Amino acid sequence: KAGVTQTPRYLIKTRGQQVTLSCSPISGHRSVSWYQQTPGQGLQFLFEYFSETQRNKGNFPGRFSGRQFSNSRSEMNVSTLELGDSALYLCASSFGTRTETQYFGPGTRLLVL
Amino acid sequence: GENVEQHPSTLSVQEGDSAVIKCTYSDSASNYFPWYKQELGKGPQLIIDIRSNVGEKKDQRIAVTLNKTAKHFSLHITETQPEDSAVYFCAANNNNDMRFGAGTRLTVKP
Repeated sequence: KAGVTQTPRYLIKTRGQQVTLSCSPISGHRSVSWYQQTPGQGLQFLFEYFSETQRNKGNFPGRFSGRQFSNSRSEMNVSTLELGDSALYLCASSFGTRTETQYFGPGTRLLVL
Repeated sequence: GENVEQHPSTLSVQEGDSAVIKCTYSDSASNYFPWYKQELGKGPQLIIDIRSNVGEKKDQRIAVTLNKTAKHFSLHITETQPEDSAVYFCAANNNNDMRFGAGTRLTVKP
């Protein structure tokens, strides 16, 4: 069974731009969670989607948004990029909820200049 | 909400020695405790997990112990090898939330 895939793997943007990241979960998994990982803050939960609905949300500004499609694939969008948004963005999928075992993708490394 | 503390933040051992990483949690409702290994340039990979109805679980050189009374759980790696070098994360999970520790950078010296 294929693992979680994320595209693109690397991205360079400038301040003020917006970016869209994509995540394809493991086949059969309906929950997709997004995390931001930085050296200083560790793994920070962004939001979780289940059956196309946002089920939980972390403490991030409204510039961070996401959605999930009927095939469980998910996208996250960051608008008006700031330098501090530079991070590794990780997607994780699980069968039911994110309180179950989560399987992570390789991440998208975003650099904001 | 849940708060997870992980120690040490860095750990260096000689090849063949054992490594122990400890985590404490605050929410007594937490019932699932996974451990992840993250190698450079990769996402975290689940290596072992334990549920609150079990005190210990072992998988080859890796074991996890859980003390529900004290609210702490530990990862034990025996006979460490250079390929064990990575960042390890613990997590604690109740039915509403999963929180991660800050990570431990393990270096195994050949």
